[in-house]
Amino acid sequence: SQQGEEDPQALSIQEGENATMNCSYKTSINNLQWYRQNSGRGLVHLILIRSNEREKHSGRLRVTLDTSKKSSSLLITASRAADTASYFCAPIPSNTGKLIFGQGTTLQVKP
Amino acid sequence: NAGVTQTPKFQVLKTGQSMTLQCAQDMNHEYMSWYRQDPGMGLRLIHYSVGAGITDQGEVPNGYNVSRSTTEDFPLRLLSAAPSQTSVYFCASSSSGRAAGELFFGEGSRLTVL
Repeated sequence: SQQGEEDPQALSIQEGENATMNCSYKTSINNLQWYRQNSGRGLVHLILIRSNEREKHSGRLRVTLDTSKKSSSLLITASRAADTASYFCAPIPSNTGKLIFGQGTTLQVKP
Repeated sequence: NAGVTQTPKFQVLKTGQSMTLQCAQDMNHEYMSWYRQDPGMGLRLIHYSVGAGITDQGEVPNGYNVSRSTTEDFPLRLLSAAPSQTSVYFCASSSSGRAAGELFFGEGSRLTVL
């Protein structure tokens, strides 16, 4: 099954710094999504990037996709304490409804 | 719109008991799914449905049953609860039949099996 693997597993930075999280996957995809989970809550959709896109921005979020390397990255600029959460990528194959998540990156932003 | 609603939010069961976790969405979404999340872990897909009357297995389906008789509801049944099923369960839905679009998650149901 298609599953994203996030790297690093944990990341700790100071407020104001940038945070970069990476995602690798194994097979061809239709699109790739990033989600955020605050402690004890459900996941919230952040951004979707299609397989024919290379970069996408949303506010302080920047997502890149390299289909030749089967990898994606999520950059959070000027991080805030409120960005403290776990972040998950979800590569979406074109012919299945199985949306499989990896173990995520736990981001801690210190004030 | 209420979005995705899960009930109950908390439940304690004894080994061998059965129960149903309810999931309802009011967004007319075709796709619905159930995940479980164990401490420090990601989400594991239990079952999913791409439309009313259609269900399929995910990564960890054993011990769970689902049905999709209406577009709105996707209940998850534990047939004979085991301590290994202690977890937080999340229901999610998407307007895209193949989950190619944004997933909307419920707030979770926390289950403890003694």
